[in-house]
Amino acid sequence: SQQGEEDPQALSIQEGENATMNCSYKTSINNLQWYRQNSGRGLVHLILIRSNEREKHSGRLRVTLDTSKKSSSLLITASRAADTASYFCAHRRGSSNTGKLIFGQGTTLQVKP
Amino acid sequence: GAVVSQHPSWVICKSGTSVKIECRSLDFQATTMFWYRQFPKQSLMLMATSNEGSKATYEQGVEKDKFLINHASLTLSTLTVTSAHPEDSSFYICSAFSGSLGTGELFFGEGSRLTVL
Repeated sequence: SQQGEEDPQALSIQEGENATMNCSYKTSINNLQWYRQNSGRGLVHLILIRSNEREKHSGRLRVTLDTSKKSSSLLITASRAADTASYFCAHRRGSSNTGKLIFGQGTTLQVKP
Repeated sequence: GAVVSQHPSWVICKSGTSVKIECRSLDFQATTMFWYRQFPKQSLMLMATSNEGSKATYEQGVEKDKFLINHASLTLSTLTVTSAHPEDSSFYICSAFSGSLGTGELFFGEGSRLTVL
């Protein structure tokens, strides 16, 4: 299978709460990326974490990477209704920088106002 | 950021017809573009890699004669779904990558929803 695993598949929280999504992958990576997709729309790049980084922040987003466990997590703090979307992790296949991304199965997040 | 445009954003066609979807990089040259397919409530599955001026590379299980890809210029790749059938109904998304951007970041189109009746 191309894809890695993500959990949970679906997450429903109240506005203001934190949302944590996890991603596992199967191969060695140079970096791992997280994307957001609103229903029926294209993807928006959120954050990239390199294999030599363990944690990275961007606004209300916090990403961790554990290469020994081949896993990553995305934390959205103080969630808002507008954060409702699907979130995907993705990594490149192979060592070359060609941009060929393999996506995880995704987590659908619903933030209730 | 860079802009990738897909057209049409949605299309409905009869079974047996062919449909062409365009993917354009509007403000940069894309030596490589990727085509993904996404079924409802599922993730993106890579279909093929489109390289300017050469044949596309298809992922395992993707029929190259059914999904024709042409990347004739540095700003345009097209995906033609030939003899479409209802099972081809899906959301098709392209992404574009250019080494000149330097960041290695992909830019995605808004997707094209195909419905085959």
